[in-house]
Amino acid sequence: SQQGEEDPQALSIQEGENATMNCSYKTSINNLQWYRQNSGRGLVHLILIRSNEREKHSGRLRVTLDTSKKSSSLLITASRAADTASYFCATPSGGRRALTFGSGTRLQVQP
Amino acid sequence: EAQVTQNPRYLITVTGKKLTVTCSQNMNHEYMSWYRQDPGLGLRQIYYSMNVEVTDKGDVPEGYKVSRKEKRNFPLILESPSPNQTSLYFCASSLGQGTDEKLFFGSGTQLSVL
Repeated sequence: SQQGEEDPQALSIQEGENATMNCSYKTSINNLQWYRQNSGRGLVHLILIRSNEREKHSGRLRVTLDTSKKSSSLLITASRAADTASYFCATPSGGRRALTFGSGTRLQVQP
Repeated sequence: EAQVTQNPRYLITVTGKKLTVTCSQNMNHEYMSWYRQDPGLGLRQIYYSMNVEVTDKGDVPEGYKVSRKEKRNFPLILESPSPNQTSLYFCASSLGQGTDEKLFFGSGTQLSVL
């Protein structure tokens, strides 16, 4: 069952612009994670935000979490060509030790 | 270097020919898991293991087997592969068993079953 759904499915921007991706989920969670995947490669953990946090920063990444709306957003500021990748949100699967991943946002940063 | 190593990277096989995809981690992680990734379906969990000799089914376990005889290794076995198992497979591990643990992923195995 898919818990998180990212929006948009694809995003194309110019280098230097900001990129915003959104994730909506269905059930209550105690944390949410974001991962990046370069084409065909393994996912890499970016950031985790807990349910008692509204915002978290890591370098050029800013993540927000709105538990009342069951949504999260990932903002990448001053994007670079190297940020071109797919980005996934992941939430704990209820009752089972697992993360459930959304279908991802494909980000293309044009140099 | 801390990593999750999967082999092979690419595999082409025929229907019914048993195969094993190996996964090894060098971080002394307790938790290991297999996912498959298909276009439009995202990542779906196949099996996971909380520790040695402890395994459990994920979302899509049919047609797969796993074992966890040693902490570092978690092979994925396809006893009789079928074309619908053509997919990109990822092994992942985390230090602990909590749902707030970050996962470390292998580089993936692209499997084609003809």
